[in-house]
Amino acid sequence: AQKVTQAQTEISVVEKEDVTLDCVYETRDTTYYLFWYKQPPSGELVFLIRRNSFDEQNEISGRYSWNFQKSTSSFNFTITASQVVDSAVYFCAAGSSGSARQLTFGSGTQLTVLP
Amino acid sequence: GAGVSQSPRYKVAKRGQDVALRCDPISGHVSLFWYQQALGQGPEFLTYFQNEAQLDKSGLPSDRFFAERPEGSVSTLKIQRTQQEDSAVYLCASSLPGANVLTFGAGSRLTVL
Repeated sequence: AQKVTQAQTEISVVEKEDVTLDCVYETRDTTYYLFWYKQPPSGELVFLIRRNSFDEQNEISGRYSWNFQKSTSSFNFTITASQVVDSAVYFCAAGSSGSARQLTFGSGTQLTVLP
Repeated sequence: GAGVSQSPRYKVAKRGQDVALRCDPISGHVSLFWYQQALGQGPEFLTYFQNEAQLDKSGLPSDRFFAERPEGSVSTLKIQRTQQEDSAVYLCASSLPGANVLTFGAGSRLTVL
């Protein structure tokens, strides 16, 4: 079983600022996956990234970057030069590599980017 | 279809009524999941199917909740004798075999009065 904590309930930034969303996870699995999903007001969860537990390489995709640190059990998400369209709820999630395929989600961080 | 389709998008039920929520997964996705998302919370796992087999129903909150996927494609989540605490968004997700990147539908928002 996993547990995911997103301590930041709401974050508000002004457009073009950088913002980091924190995620801390707990798991007893030696192999696991970590995810970030975006939920815009329309409600549909949009997949952003999956990271395997054995791959601690940081990843950058455009304005998005992810910092995975097993030593601190964290998988933080940074948006560079934020835009109004980035406003959404962002969820961090963890999943097992075993037969159980369900994900355990954090409670989400509401990001508001002001013009 | 191109994405996961859920219907109805919105459902209002009186306490005690039965409701049925439908999920049409992406063609070829053998794995199907149901999640419940309460207001202001993250999604919580309800149940999981691989084809028509329900492999995990550990997240179903009570025996009033029942899910089926008889032909391994469309799935229905049924809630009997709805209670106010059942009010939530019910999300369906599907994935390819062996994968755990889930594609979610837009959800069905259930309000029980």
